[in-house]
Amino acid sequence: DTGVSQDPRHKITKRGQNVTFRCDPISEHNRLYWYRQTLGQGPEFLTYFQNEAQLEKSRLLSDRFSAERPKGSFSTLEIQRTEQGDSAMYLCASRRITGGANTGELFFGEGSRLTVL
Amino acid sequence: KNEVEQSPQNLTAQEGEFITINCSYSVGISALHWLQQHPGGGIVSLFMLSSGKKKHGRLIATINIQEKHSSLHITASHPRDSAVYICAVRSRYGGSQGNLIFGKGTKLSVKP
Repeated sequence: DTGVSQDPRHKITKRGQNVTFRCDPISEHNRLYWYRQTLGQGPEFLTYFQNEAQLEKSRLLSDRFSAERPKGSFSTLEIQRTEQGDSAMYLCASRRITGGANTGELFFGEGSRLTVL
Repeated sequence: KNEVEQSPQNLTAQEGEFITINCSYSVGISALHWLQQHPGGGIVSLFMLSSGKKKHGRLIATINIQEKHSSLHITASHPRDSAVYICAVRSRYGGSQGNLIFGKGTKLSVKP
């Protein structure tokens, strides 16, 4: 296992198009997180999953954004009707939580950079 | 005011210098992360700590829970240390298990 992988690494799209990003976490990790990062800023939380259950969504996640993790393994983040303001780096991270303890190192993917023209 | 503040925002050092990056936070936390982000976007977790001090190679991270402050030190800095260093905290309260609160990062440039 080579870590968290994200696809595609770069996506250029026209305003109004739909885009989908995929994240493959480290195989034994039950928690998966999505973040968004714009230039010069730290990442902002979007949503996270515990196995296949989406446990929390940020208010940043408008109804144009949807995330799934259908089998508790890989996850997809879809943005519908993209806007120029959606241009950002979309980061995925995963970690293993056992017994509800707040432990487990967080591992990030390389990110998917979205440019909306 | 951001809940996680880092200083300095930008830092330029000469190779070999000792570097300190600071992080102050205003919420009760259960853990604090130091992350490294290279150009191109990938983030690597350097440390996760909830008390005391951790060391890995030339990197040292300390945290003072009472002061709500953490520092990341780099000894004998090298140009390959050039990156953005991000502090992130996991809030102890508020019910959010998923939410890491990130600082804006400190951009470090080490000149040869």
